[in-house]
Parts: sequence; C-alpha cells; structure tokens
Amino acid sequence: RKEVEQDPGPFNVPEGATVAFNCTYSNSASQSFFWYRQDCRKEPKLLMSVYSSGNEDGRFTAQLNRASQYISLLIRDSKLSDSATYLCVATTSGTYKYIFGTGTRLKVLA
Amino acid sequence: GAVVSQHPSRVICKSGTSVKIECRSLDFQATTMFWYRQFPKQSLMLMATSNEGSKATYEQGVEKDKFLINHASLTLSTLTVTSAHPEDSSFYICSATSPAVKGTIYFGEGSWLTVV
Repeated sequence: RKEVEQDPGPFNVPEGATVAFNCTYSNSASQSFFWYRQDCRKEPKLLMSVYSSGNEDGRFTAQLNRASQYISLLIRDSKLSDSATYLCVATTSGTYKYIFGTGTRLKVLA
Repeated sequence: GAVVSQHPSRVICKSGTSVKIECRSLDFQATTMFWYRQFPKQSLMLMATSNEGSKATYEQGVEKDKFLINHASLTLSTLTVTSAHPEDSSFYICSATSPAVKGTIYFGEGSWLTVV
C-alpha cells in the first residue's frame, strides 16, 4: 500500500463547478500536510498547507481528518486555469521528507 | 523568495554514458536537499536525501552506485546517473531546505533526461 494515496482521475468538470479531492495517508506519524499543484512537465508548486482546523484560501479549502487519516481539497467556481494535477503531500515531524501522493488530474472544461 | 535552480533543464544522452544534474540554492544555504524522480503520469518518488557534507541517504530500491549524489557545499548538490539506460529516462527534480528558511521546501525546475 502506498504511503499517500489519491484517486488519479481525471476529474473532468465544467467551468464554475465545485470539485473535491481526497487523499489518504497510512503513516499515523505524519504531522504536516500540503497540497501542491503541478502543471504538465513542470515542477510542483505549493498550493496550500493543510491545518487541523481546516483552512481556506480564496476558492480553495483544505481539510484534515486525523482520525480517518485523510485530507481533502475543495475547489469552488472552477476556472480553466485550475486544470492541473493536484498532489497531496505528507511529512513526518522532525524531517523535511515529503511523501507525495500519486496526484489527481483535474480538467476544467469550457 | 528563495530560488532553487536546476541545470540542465533537458538532456539527451547515449545509453551507457553518465550524466550530471546540478541543483543550486541561489539565495539561501541549503543544509538538506532531496532528489526525486517522476515517470510520466506518476507521482514524484523520493530517491535520496542529501545533507551537506555527509553521504546521501537513499530510499529503498534506489541504487546508490547508479545514482551518485554529492552535496559538497551548502548551495550545490549534484545527481549523476551513471551508465544510463533508456529506462532511466525520467523527470528528475530536486528540492532544498534549511532551518534558515524554517523548513520550507523549495523545488528546482526539474530536469528531463532522455537516454537513447
């Protein structure tokens, strides 16, 4: 079983739709979580950190459920420019080692 | 903000040769650098963790004699793919961090390696 798992998609959604991605992690020692966005053939870029209380950044909302060991990302009012692969990341306290999920591909359609 | 630069961004090499990829932190001293590999439509797989001045720690399944990592200074780490084969063709990406940047991870732009 992979340490961080995501549904690879693709998720094809129309512009303006709301879409949600989930990510599960198996290492209960994981402490910090992030969502990264990766465009085709480019390096990943930090989208947002994920906090236990949940956090929002504009159209993006991230949630963490430690009991069930999953994190989620909600994108509201999808834009064409949101089309990308979204990577879930978990790290363990005291290390800088990032463990990436397989990524979920999103295609926002006009 | 901090910048991590990789070079070359793309490289084509012949099977059996070696190729070196450089990762530089441009405006902070990176005590720790990481090397990842990403095959098409797959996730980034951590290959090794490199701490300045010490030997790299390789992840299970990564051949340390094939993927030579050097982190001789606080601003430069290199990955050398030795005796490259077509199956080594991949996107290689580094990241860097240090306590000075509060553990924030900065990624390089990545290097596309094609072995022919």
